[in-house]
Amino acid sequence: QVRLQESGPGLVRPSQTLSLTCTVSGGSIGSGRYYWSWIRQPAEKGLEYIGRIFSSGSTNYNPSLKSRVTISIDTSKNQFSLRLNSVTAADTAVYYCARVLSGSYYEYFDYWGQGTLVTVSS
Amino acid sequence: DIQMTQSPSSLSASVGDRVTITCRASQSISGYLNWYQQKPGKAPNLLIYATSTLQSGVPSRFSGSGSGTDFTLTISSLQPDDFATYYCLQYSNYLGTFGGGTKVEIK
Repeated sequence: QVRLQESGPGLVRPSQTLSLTCTVSGGSIGSGRYYWSWIRQPAEKGLEYIGRIFSSGSTNYNPSLKSRVTISIDTSKNQFSLRLNSVTAADTAVYYCARVLSGSYYEYFDYWGQGTLVTVSS
Repeated sequence: DIQMTQSPSSLSASVGDRVTITCRASQSISGYLNWYQQKPGKAPNLLIYATSTLQSGVPSRFSGSGSGTDFTLTISSLQPDDFATYYCLQYSNYLGTFGGGTKVEIK
């Protein structure tokens, strides 16, 4: 059974960098069939796709966040990470990591972490 | 960027009702659309992928249809466990975009 677990600080100061790690168990993050993604959700609001990374290291980012986001992967640790620079209160949200299963005509999140709340506040 | 407009943003319905939620894309996305259900405090759960394929384990009262820019999620007979928020997600470009969500509440 694949499991994903987010970890990182729950409180980040404005203008600082938000850093989260997703640890994957029950499967290899280096498998070429999956993307590894970050999604966030502010309280009482909808879902926002932040970005994703393939095992090769190639990435896709949400254009609205692209200038501030970096997603990286460490196959030796079976982890992938999110860095979001210059945060403001608007970045306060529950952050989810998720696995994307991709095929010839389909692509969907099949496993999710439980989510971690990150609050941006001084 | 492809924008997804989901409607309604909320609805009230009774157990046994037929419920329809729609998503409209700002440009054609072929059939590259998924539907997710989210309950409070939980990660979303996949219901339907590629417009109409029911994910394993999802009850058959859920169905999806559409093509091009207009898509529909239908719950044929609403059950108590179905009260939740529903999101569409298009994946026709490199990174998908979610619809704004539809909260289904008890009437």
